[in-house]
Amino acid sequence: RKEVEQDPGPFNVPEGATVAFNCTYSNSASQSFFWYRQDCRKEPKLLMSVYSSGNEDGRFTAQLNRASQYISLLIRDSKLSDSATYLCVVDNNNDMRFGAGTRLTVKP
Amino acid sequence: SAVISQKPSRDICQRGTSLTIQCQVDSQVTMMFWYRQQPGQSLTLIATANQGSEATYESGFVIDKFPISRPNLTFSTLTVSNMSPEDSSIYLCSAGGGGSDYGYTFGSGTRLTVV
Repeated sequence: RKEVEQDPGPFNVPEGATVAFNCTYSNSASQSFFWYRQDCRKEPKLLMSVYSSGNEDGRFTAQLNRASQYISLLIRDSKLSDSATYLCVVDNNNDMRFGAGTRLTVKP
Repeated sequence: SAVISQKPSRDICQRGTSLTIQCQVDSQVTMMFWYRQQPGQSLTLIATANQGSEATYESGFVIDKFPISRPNLTFSTLTVSNMSPEDSSIYLCSAGGGGSDYGYTFGSGTRLTVV
């Protein structure tokens, strides 16, 4: 079993749609959780941290369920500029493990 | 969060040669890491660069092939030695350690092609 698993997609959605990505992790001792965004031929960039209480940043909402070892990212009102690969990242004491990424394409 | 300058951004190298990739961070950071990313794939951790001591390598990566230096808290190098076409990939450095709110920042990557 992979340490961090994501649905690779691709997700193809129209502008304005709501889309959700899921991620599961195997190490129950993991301490910190993140969503990164990676554009084609670019480095990953931190999108948001994920907190146990859930957190929201504009159109983006991240949630963590430690009991189920599950992380989610919800994007509302999708924009063309949201097209990218979204990486789920799990950190256990500075040992970061990346999911394979979920590819999103937002179409006009 | 830290800003990382990584170079070269790309190179085409002959098999059997070596390439050294540099990462300079604009602030002192506790942790620095080196990753490899094949096209369309996720990141694979090569090693953790430890300041003042030998790097810690992941399974499948060895020091003779990927020697790493970390002379201070703002700089690290990765050398890809005795290259073969299978080493063609994107190499990324990462730095952080500022706590759970900050995650880690990446350099812009080095696109290596071995011919």
